Amino acid sequence: AQSVAQPEDQVNVAEGNPLTVKCTYSVSGNPYLFWYVQYPNRGLQFLLKYITGDNLVKGSYGFEAEFNKSQTSFHLKKPSALVSDSALYFCAVRGKGSSASKIIFGSGTRLSIRP
Amino acid sequence: DVKVTQSSRYLVKRTGEKVFLECVQDMDHENMFWYRQDPGLGLRLIYFSYDVKMKEKGDIPEGYSVSREKKERFSLILESASTNQTSMYLCASSPAGRGAPRETQYFGPGTRLLVL
Repeated sequence: AQSVAQPEDQVNVAEGNPLTVKCTYSVSGNPYLFWYVQYPNRGLQFLLKYITGDNLVKGSYGFEAEFNKSQTSFHLKKPSALVSDSALYFCAVRGKGSSASKIIFGSGTRLSIRP
Repeated sequence: DVKVTQSSRYLVKRTGEKVFLECVQDMDHENMFWYRQDPGLGLRLIYFSYDVKMKEKGDIPEGYSVSREKKERFSLILESASTNQTSMYLCASSPAGRGAPRETQYFGPGTRLLVL
């Protein structure tokens, strides 16, 4: 069965410091991996995805994520956090070859950036 | 610009009422989704539709039904609302076909439903 874990409910970072939001997954075969962000009272917005190719994926707003097959992880990173990055972040996974409906979302990590 | 709209941002209903949540997308996407979002549980798929009049149950379909009579519109129906259906409901769409583009879902702003 597919699963995705975001082990931290909340991550607190000072503005200007690097940030990491963790995600690990379990899926049969090769994965498709995603990060979405949700700002207050808004729907989810797509940030980035890993489908194939380079393990380091760059996305919107200066975020990037590294696919690590041996550790089954897809951590979200940014070199220098902004207060405006404060939001709820969701990792998601789907096994290649499975239906589009089989995407699984993590429980979310709330990122708080203090000035 | 890509757009998914939902009929209401906030909704208050009474137990036993029939509730309709509507979602419209203007991107000509084949796939449409209904999720509910609850704290600590992330997003859980209620129903999925991959074409007009076609639907597939998600992980938590009990107490819900859906309708897709037109490609751009996907409705979620709570047949008899209950207090445990109080939640944030999110609609999403994505293109069909092979390759990376179909993997990105576009979400509406959500409907926060309170059932009293």
